Amino acid sequence: DVKVTQSSRYLVKRTGEKVFLECVQDMDHENMFWYRQDPGLGLRLIYFSYDVKMKEKGDIPEGYSVSREKKERFSLILESASTNQTSMYLCASSFRSVSLSYEQYFGPGTRLTVT
Amino acid sequence: GEDVEQSLFLSVREGDSSVINCTYTDSSSTYLYWYKQEPGAGLQLLTYIFSNMDMKQDQRLTVLLNKKDKHLSLRIADTQTGDSAIYFCAENDYGQNFVFGPGTRLSVLP
Repeated sequence: DVKVTQSSRYLVKRTGEKVFLECVQDMDHENMFWYRQDPGLGLRLIYFSYDVKMKEKGDIPEGYSVSREKKERFSLILESASTNQTSMYLCASSFRSVSLSYEQYFGPGTRLTVT
Repeated sequence: GEDVEQSLFLSVREGDSSVINCTYTDSSSTYLYWYKQEPGAGLQLLTYIFSNMDMKQDQRLTVLLNKKDKHLSLRIADTQTGDSAIYFCAENDYGQNFVFGPGTRLSVLP
């Protein structure tokens, strides 16, 4: 069964703190993604990675960085958390199926509150 | 850039059919997806359709695609309270990236 796990379901941090969000997938997928989800805005892509040590900026990378040292693990880092980074963060991984479609699987999400 | 639009809310009575609509702008979209998000959970892939198809049926779910109008719909037959969730439409153009709509919150009334 497909499994994407995220290190925390809920997190409360103070402004200026460095925050690490961890994501692990056990499906040997090449691609991993970090999104943030805000009401009425849907999912917005922060960063994605298509291979170990490779990363690409998404639509809203400012204030975030990522790390992918192992295939199964993709970390999102908030260097100095700000209140406008309060959001739900969703990690996903994907693979290309035999029909050539990409199938994306999501973790349960981390609700981050920055005070 | 690409854009995917959905209405934000839909209410239906239990047992009725629900139809959730989505429009997209990217004419090179190859695959179109429907995801379901239950409260407090991540997104779950429900179904997807290839752009050269116009309909796909999977049990209570029917996906209709009008490629000319760039319109996608998800019909849920015999809607149940367990179908209450946010439904996201997404498109993909053969690359790794997905573009998501804002999500439609479906409320099922008893």
